[in-house]
Amino acid sequence: DGGITQSPKYLFRKEGQNVTLSCEQNLNHDAMYWYRQDPGQGLRLIYYSQIVNDFQKGDIAEGYSVSREKKESFPLTVTSAQKNPTAFYLCASSRDPAAPGELFFGEGSRLTVL
Amino acid sequence: AQSVTQPDIHITVSEGASLELRCNYSYGATPYLFWYVQSPGQGLQLLLKYFSGDTLVQGIKGFEAEFKRSQSSFNLRKPSVHWSDAAEYFCAVGAGRTGANNLFFGTGTRLTVIP
Repeated sequence: DGGITQSPKYLFRKEGQNVTLSCEQNLNHDAMYWYRQDPGQGLRLIYYSQIVNDFQKGDIAEGYSVSREKKESFPLTVTSAQKNPTAFYLCASSRDPAAPGELFFGEGSRLTVL
Repeated sequence: AQSVTQPDIHITVSEGASLELRCNYSYGATPYLFWYVQSPGQGLQLLLKYFSGDTLVQGIKGFEAEFKRSQSSFNLRKPSVHWSDAAEYFCAVGAGRTGANNLFFGTGTRLTVIP
């Protein structure tokens, strides 16, 4: 079945450590996105990529980094510079980079900083 | 700049009752509007969308939504709620054909269904 796979589902990190969240899609979508979700808040865009080897900062990119070396993969690194990294992270993709917002989401990764 | 307001943080309904979730948006032009649903610990799934045309749109799982330009609203409705509809619902507005990087989400409404 086509879809988006995020791993790990749960991740614990000590303060000062970098962690990388994986996002893989087999939908052949060009655009991919990373969102952060906190309780009582909507989704906030961290980074997005509309094509391989190119990505753009979203609204809350500070303390995060991404890469897009393959169409299928868009990993997110939460660096030690992110002051409040505990959150639920969602990866998404869309067929058309210019599409207004028909997103397909993964099941998310919950990061907890100890 | 666009924004989305979901005034109800939490709604509780009885199974079989009707449901309406409110969404108000702020955007200067004709918006692209969406409703997504999120089950606990899961990603979001698109319920329905409005781009243009008929202002009453049908979605999956028996949901519908009506775009009312005069009220800047896009409320989600279902005539008879099922226990499996318990989830969090997000309204979102897109700023035209500029990609999901210009998609803004509301803060969500959590729906509880009482047997």
